Amino acid sequence: QLQLQESGPGLVKPSETLSLTCSVSGGSVSSSGYYWGWIRLPPGKGLEWIGYIYYSGSTVYNPSLKSRVTISVDTSKNQFSLKLSSVTAVDTAVYHCARLSSWRGRNWFDTWGQGTLVTVSS
Amino acid sequence: EIILTQSPGTLSLSPGERATLSCRASQSVSSSYLAWYQQKPGQAPRLLIYGASSRATGIPDRFSGSGSGTDFTLTISRLEPEDFAMYYCQQYGSSPYTFGQGTKLEIK
Repeated sequence: QLQLQESGPGLVKPSETLSLTCSVSGGSVSSSGYYWGWIRLPPGKGLEWIGYIYYSGSTVYNPSLKSRVTISVDTSKNQFSLKLSSVTAVDTAVYHCARLSSWRGRNWFDTWGQGTLVTVSS
Repeated sequence: EIILTQSPGTLSLSPGERATLSCRASQSVSSSYLAWYQQKPGQAPRLLIYGASSRATGIPDRFSGSGSGTDFTLTISRLEPEDFAMYYCQQYGSSPYTFGQGTKLEIK
């Protein structure tokens, strides 16, 4: 059974870089046809898609975050990661990693991690 | 960007009743690329429906999705106690992928 688990600091200072890792078990990030992504849920707001990556390293990002986001994959560790630079309080959220299934170039989130709360505060 | 509006915000029903959740898009969702997710407190969201009407693996047949264009519906035919949760719709037909604000299904 595929499982995803987010890890990383729960507190980040303003202007610094938020870094999270998603560890995948019960499946491989190198599996053909699947993508790996990040979504966040700010308190009191709706879910926001951040971006996703294929095992080859190709990425697609939400244009609203593109200038600050980097998603990478480490096939040797069966993990993928999120970096969000220059964070402010509005980046405080529960961050979820997820696997995306694909059909005709469109992708939906078929398995999610439980999420990890990241608070941006000095 | 496609804005998804879910209604109602909160739905209060009793076990055994039928639930109808709505998701309306600000513009047409291409090829019905719409998904529904269920989330319970402290748990990972779970995929229920993709492609507007295809049930995900392991999802009971009391869950069904319908709709096209700008209007989509998630129906739970007969509510079980474990169905009371938050529900989100999401479109993946155009970038950026966007989600609705959610409908909270609570026990009456």
